Amino acid sequence: GIQVEQSPPDLILQEGANSTLRCNFSDSVNNLQWFHQNPWGQLINLFYIPSGTKQNGRLSATTVATERYSLLYISSSQTTDSGVYFCAVNYNTDKLIFGTGTRLQVFP
Amino acid sequence: KAGVTQTPRYLIKTRGQQVTLSCSPISGHRSVSWYQQTPGQGLQFLFEYFSETQRNKGNFPGRFSGRQFSNSRSEMNVSTLELGDSALYLCASSLFEGARYNEQFFGPGTRLTVL
Repeated sequence: GIQVEQSPPDLILQEGANSTLRCNFSDSVNNLQWFHQNPWGQLINLFYIPSGTKQNGRLSATTVATERYSLLYISSSQTTDSGVYFCAVNYNTDKLIFGTGTRLQVFP
Repeated sequence: KAGVTQTPRYLIKTRGQQVTLSCSPISGHRSVSWYQQTPGQGLQFLFEYFSETQRNKGNFPGRFSGRQFSNSRSEMNVSTLELGDSALYLCASSLFEGARYNEQFFGPGTRLTVL
């Protein structure tokens, strides 16, 4: 089956710093999503991005499907950005395969 | 539009008992999927339902089962609970449109503790 790897596993930043999270996947996919898991466990949708580039405020994402990776950029980090970021992919079904996540801690 | 809702939010059971979790998808969404999240195994797919039919099933024992009703609401059941079933159970819904696989939206989860 498809394997999804995320890096780095942990990231510690000071408020105001920028960061890049990476997601590699082992095979062709139909779709890719980025999520932020809040401290209460809910997965918040950030991007639905099977290919191309999207931006939403301080966050942007790029997926290069032919090279099997996606990047999530966080600019001017805030403490509220803390949490775990997951990418997830699917191929020909609604079954999402998740990466192991990147735990981000932003300190004031 | 209201988001995906899950009930109950928290549950404490003892080994050997059974439990039923409920999920109401976003209005108009017809596909519902369930996931288990544990510290050791991460987020794993349990099963997916569409039009009251199970379309996909993950690699979980038969103690885990589910169903979907005509209004797209879904329930999952775990029988003969084991300590290892302690987890966050997440439900997701999507607006399935033919062969397109759509963005999935998650509920707040049910945190199950088995003592």
